[in-house]
Amino acid sequence: NAGVTQTPKFQVLKTGQSMTLQCAQDMNHNSMYWYRQDPGMGLRLIYYSASEGTTDKGEVPNGYNVSRLNKREFSLRLESAAPSQTSVYFCASSFDRGKETQYFGPGTRLLVL
Amino acid sequence: EDKVVQSPLSLVVHEGDTVTLNCSYEVTNFRSLLWYKQEKKAPTFLFMLTSSGIEKKSGRLSSILDKKELFSILNITATQTGDSAIYLCAGGAQKLVFGQGTRLTINP
Repeated sequence: NAGVTQTPKFQVLKTGQSMTLQCAQDMNHNSMYWYRQDPGMGLRLIYYSASEGTTDKGEVPNGYNVSRLNKREFSLRLESAAPSQTSVYFCASSFDRGKETQYFGPGTRLLVL
Repeated sequence: EDKVVQSPLSLVVHEGDTVTLNCSYEVTNFRSLLWYKQEKKAPTFLFMLTSSGIEKKSGRLSSILDKKELFSILNITATQTGDSAIYLCAGGAQKLVFGQGTRLTINP
């Protein structure tokens, strides 16, 4: 099992460009999450998907959109990147309510110039 | 507003020392408190605590939750250089709120 995979590993964008971060899990988990991690601020939830077909905003959703394509895949889109979105992005998944342990992907380092 | 606060933010000790990391939380819909270790990349799961007063242990690491006082501690005994990492705690139910992390450095 690969667990949680993310692509790309690293990306440089210019202000105003768009891109999609991809995430997939092969653990048959129902719930998936996108976080960003900035120095000194821990992990902040951007969006999550409790199950296939549903998505909800987290703590810092502005400037992002998500798509739960199927049970395995959850993508994060930046429509018009801004320097404030320079960060490390982690995708995570968990089985279901009552089983909160989240398993993380390796992260995507994004630099917006 | 939900929040999870960790202390200290940074800690430097010598190999062999014992350390205690703290995590306090104010989270609505709380069900669990989780600890993660983050080295260079993704956080890796250490413990999940749901009941007060029951210690969870894994080798030299142990953790306990106090649901009355809303805090948890993570203890590491006989520290080794490989324990150097950022330790994250998170509380919640399906949605987790993460603390800022404690950066632990173990010097040989």
